[in-house]
Amino acid sequence: EAQVTQNPRYLITVTGKKLTVTCSQNMNHEYMSWYRQDPGLGLRQIYYSMNVEVTDKGDVPEGYKVSRKEKRNFPLILESPSPNQTSLYFCASGSTSVTSYEQYFGPGTRLTVT
Amino acid sequence: GIQVEQSPPDLILQEGANSTLRCNFSDSVNNLQWFHQNPWGQLINLFYIPSGTKQNGRLSATTVATERYSLLYISSSQTTDSGVYFCAVERIGGYSTLTFGKGTMLLVSP
Repeated sequence: EAQVTQNPRYLITVTGKKLTVTCSQNMNHEYMSWYRQDPGLGLRQIYYSMNVEVTDKGDVPEGYKVSRKEKRNFPLILESPSPNQTSLYFCASGSTSVTSYEQYFGPGTRLTVT
Repeated sequence: GIQVEQSPPDLILQEGANSTLRCNFSDSVNNLQWFHQNPWGQLINLFYIPSGTKQNGRLSATTVATERYSLLYISSSQTTDSGVYFCAVERIGGYSTLTFGKGTMLLVSP
């Protein structure tokens, strides 16, 4: 089954404790991306990657890091989480083929930073 | 950047009613998708529809790319249709970044 998986699905942590949210896709997609969703602000892009070893900032990259060492994985790293990073996070993937631009979203990770 | 406007912002229906949700966008697009966010927060892919018409059960969607709008039709609504419906677009040359509208919150009551 074609899917995007994220782990963990729920996480409560404390300020300053480094964490990683994993994202994996099994569709051989070149493109992967991270979004955060906040009430009143909608979904905003954090980082994206057009292929292995190619990453770029989205609209709200401050406080986040990413890496793309393998095509299927695109982890989101919070080196020193703060309460303003409490949010619902989504990973997405898509093909850069001109035949279809459809994107697929993971189930979301609900993060609370106290 | 590209602007995406959805209407109405909120909608309350009785079970069995039909509804139409609208998405207007300000530039030419490669990609237009409709999502349903369920009460658990999951984004469910409804349609990939940069142009044309598609149907899936009680749901259908139409995108008129030349006039820069898309419509999502829900017929015979059920309580499980409740949630937020998002339209998201990728403008041509947009490096695959999806821009989301603010959504339409739908409540279907029994």
